[in-house]
Amino acid sequence: DAGITQSPRHKVTETGTPVTLRCHQTENHRYMYWYRQDPGHGLRLIHYSYGVKDTDKGEVSDGYSVSRSKTEDFLLTLESATSSQTSVYFCAISEGRGTGTDTQYFGPGTRLTVL
Amino acid sequence: AQSVTQPDIHITVSEGASLELRCNYSYGATPYLFWYVQSPGQGLQLLLKYFSGDTLVQGNTGFEAEFKRSQSSFNLRKPSVHWSDAAEYFCAVGASNTGTASKLTFGTGTRLQVTL
Repeated sequence: DAGITQSPRHKVTETGTPVTLRCHQTENHRYMYWYRQDPGHGLRLIHYSYGVKDTDKGEVSDGYSVSRSKTEDFLLTLESATSSQTSVYFCAISEGRGTGTDTQYFGPGTRLTVL
Repeated sequence: AQSVTQPDIHITVSEGASLELRCNYSYGATPYLFWYVQSPGQGLQLLLKYFSGDTLVQGNTGFEAEFKRSQSSFNLRKPSVHWSDAAEYFCAVGASNTGTASKLTFGTGTRLQVTL
């Protein structure tokens, strides 16, 4: 298994509070991604990073921000959590060939509940 | 933009029976195709992938998938299902933007139940 950890694994929070999820990798892969998984939607890309301090938006980026100050860490922040952000969040990494052949490897996920 | 359709939300098969999970994609260029499996409470594990060459790709757990360009399909098959194959299966198509990360678009998944 790829060396990817996510923390926390479970979190319950209240509407309006900020939340930060952490993804940590030991593979020294260049690219990191954050997805959310919801029933009936599969996985949808929130943000991704293609290097330290280099990030870009995915298809469902509203209400989320990211930061990457080190190769191994990619943080996802919900600036003001809403109930619609209750989901399971997955981090993924890939070596970074910059092509569609780049295989992504996934972390174990974080289950977030916003009350 | 690319898209992936998995028309079957839930499939039930008997242990020992054959399995086919359907995946149709829409993408204007050469598709890079993936199948992932997710056991309950776990992350996604790569089953197999197709980039080019032989259109029939084999995984290391008895699964295979066939790329059919004329049908825009990448169906997953297994000749004899085991109870441990019960999981959710996701098909994905990869696209690339020059200079940035490749992006995967996932289907909505097919949940496989195996009866004994």
